[in-house]
Amino acid sequence: AQKITQTQPGMFVQEKEAVTLDCTYDTSDQSYGLFWYKQPSSGEMIFLIYQGSYDEQNATEGRYSLNFQKARKSANLVISASQLGDSAMYFCAMRGGNAGNNRKLIWGLGTSLAVNP
Amino acid sequence: NAGVMQNPRHLVRRRGQEARLRCSPMKGHSHVYWYRQLPEEGLKFMVYLQKENIIDESGMPKERFSAEFPKEGPSILRIQQVVRGDSAAYFCASSPPVGGRPYNEQFFGPGTRLTVL
Repeated sequence: AQKITQTQPGMFVQEKEAVTLDCTYDTSDQSYGLFWYKQPSSGEMIFLIYQGSYDEQNATEGRYSLNFQKARKSANLVISASQLGDSAMYFCAMRGGNAGNNRKLIWGLGTSLAVNP
Repeated sequence: NAGVMQNPRHLVRRRGQEARLRCSPMKGHSHVYWYRQLPEEGLKFMVYLQKENIIDESGMPKERFSAEFPKEGPSILRIQQVVRGDSAAYFCASSPPVGGRPYNEQFFGPGTRLTVL
């Protein structure tokens, strides 16, 4: 069965510093995708970054990068130069291959990030 | 291009009443997903639909819950005879057909917060 584990319920970071949010996963699929979403206090889910299991390079999107270590089954999110607006819940999610009914996302419990001024 | 629309944003029902949650996917998206988020938890997959078809309903409770995505109109998540345990945020997401963007990320609506009194 697929599973996502986020072991950090809460994290603090000083403004302008970098922070790493941990995510480990478990799957028997050879092809899968890993996602990070942000949920601010207003409640909406905002897509941040994606990493495919066959992607050779770590994904980057602006200040977000994904530290993908396939052998360790980890997909940690790195936020560089933290901003006050980064304070939110962050969720790691996984999807199996694109075929058939494997499009659903399996979610971790999330990490609450607080950026201090 | 409007995003995923959900209404109502907030819904209050008394125990035993019915709740109807609506979701209009993004233009061009033919795949709809419903997720439930209980307080202080991550999202849980409920159902995945394409137009007029339920593809995967493995996350739907066996009783009282149903979903549809008709040929015309929004997707509907229907909860009959609501109980207090149904109180949660219900998120709808949509994605384009397979073959669109390489990873077909799911775009989320703002959610419907259901409160059962």
